[in-house]
Amino acid sequence: GQQLNQSPQSMFIQEGEDVSMNCTSSSIFNTWLWYKQDPGEGPVLLIALYKAGELTSNGRLTAQFGITRKDSFLNISASIPSDVGIYFCAGLDAGNNRKLIWGLGTSLAVNP
Amino acid sequence: DAGVIQSPRHEVTEMGQEVTLRCKPISGHDYLFWYRQTMMRGLELLIYFNNNVPIDDSGMPEDRFSAKMPNASFSTLKIQPSEPRDSAVYFCASSLGQGAPNEQFFGPGTRLTVL
Repeated sequence: GQQLNQSPQSMFIQEGEDVSMNCTSSSIFNTWLWYKQDPGEGPVLLIALYKAGELTSNGRLTAQFGITRKDSFLNISASIPSDVGIYFCAGLDAGNNRKLIWGLGTSLAVNP
Repeated sequence: DAGVIQSPRHEVTEMGQEVTLRCKPISGHDYLFWYRQTMMRGLELLIYFNNNVPIDDSGMPEDRFSAKMPNASFSTLKIQPSEPRDSAVYFCASSLGQGAPNEQFFGPGTRLTVL
């Protein structure tokens, strides 16, 4: 099925560093969601975006809905060891009210 | 409030056996989704329900897979007969019908291994 282009595929950083990841789509989306998945658990919703240009924060996490409506970014500031996990973007295009389209994830490792 | 509940958490079975996965969505949520996650294909939507009615089952891989939602608090995903390629983590998720309908909340998943 259709998937989003999510990058980078993996990241290995030092504790305290900032992190950026992004997702792009070939079609226009009206919703962007960012999830985090810990090992052995289900994805947990971090941030939801509903308007082009919207910038939303959740603690050290900030996500933006791209102006073109074809991309979204997630930034993590001052990373800590518990940020380790896989981050997924998911989006909804205009034609599918409930079927989220998923990226393949960004695996984040943090070196204490 | 309790989140989405799935059982069992782990299932190991032999090829050809029937497997039934269970899900209890968050109370008050109108939508229920079944996903499959593998390393190669990521998260794939299998089927979703609205008010207990199947809306889209285009992601169900083949006739060996079936899903039911007899009431608002229970759903099952059945594989019969199971095959080794069905080995994956299966997630159930639910969401509201109004408000923030696109925000899906996931259960902990069932890790299925078919030998």
